[in-house]
Amino acid sequence: QSVLTQPPSASGTPGQRVTISCSGSSSSIGSNTVNWYQQLPGTAPKLLIYGNNQRASGVPDRFSGSKSGTSASLAISGLQSEDEADYYCAAWDDSLNGRYVFGTGTKVTVL
Amino acid sequence: EVRLLESGGGLVQPGGSLRLSCAASGFDFSYYAMNWVRQAPGKGLEWVSAIGTYSTNTYYADSVKGRFTISRDNSKNTLYLQMSSLGAEDAAVYYCAKAPSGSFEPIDPWGQGTLVTVSS
Repeated sequence: QSVLTQPPSASGTPGQRVTISCSGSSSSIGSNTVNWYQQLPGTAPKLLIYGNNQRASGVPDRFSGSKSGTSASLAISGLQSEDEADYYCAAWDDSLNGRYVFGTGTKVTVL
Repeated sequence: EVRLLESGGGLVQPGGSLRLSCAASGFDFSYYAMNWVRQAPGKGLEWVSAIGTYSTNTYYADSVKGRFTISRDNSKNTLYLQMSSLGAEDAAVYYCAKAPSGSFEPIDPWGQGTLVTVSS
């Protein structure tokens, strides 16, 4: 029941910039802050960006987040091989008594 | 260091019940809201449920409402998820995850997860 829409895949060569979009609604992204999670293969997800654009502890500054209206985006500049992972946006949704919703997820491949 | 250790997963028949536990350490458990998030094999993340510090507020995804119950025992630093009427759609790795003080999100960190398999 994802209500945040992401592209299924994105790719780039080492050093390139990759951007992932996340589209929501007025009750989710439009009313609340956006978080981004990174899931490396075979591991539990970890928080990457919180509060729309704040990097979590230890996250390199090549990761950045932004939000505008009911959409958000994650940018990875200077793409590195270790960035190959699944990325999920998420936000609280004020509809239906409140719930936390994840995006559909984007697989980033480093070519 | 914050540690979250899930347990209780396993094989259950359709229509059956299971209780998951999450043992927390490295922080004052009673001061933080907690979440359960699941991930079906090869699929994306799905938030399941959240509970406030003294169980005053609970939230559920529509997909589990009425079948799952989240609870916590602050004296034991443990989070629970009681699951009933399980179906194939509930098969997933279930993650326990901590929220910051005063909020239910962002979710960080996460445990390593426990696998629930629903099959006859």
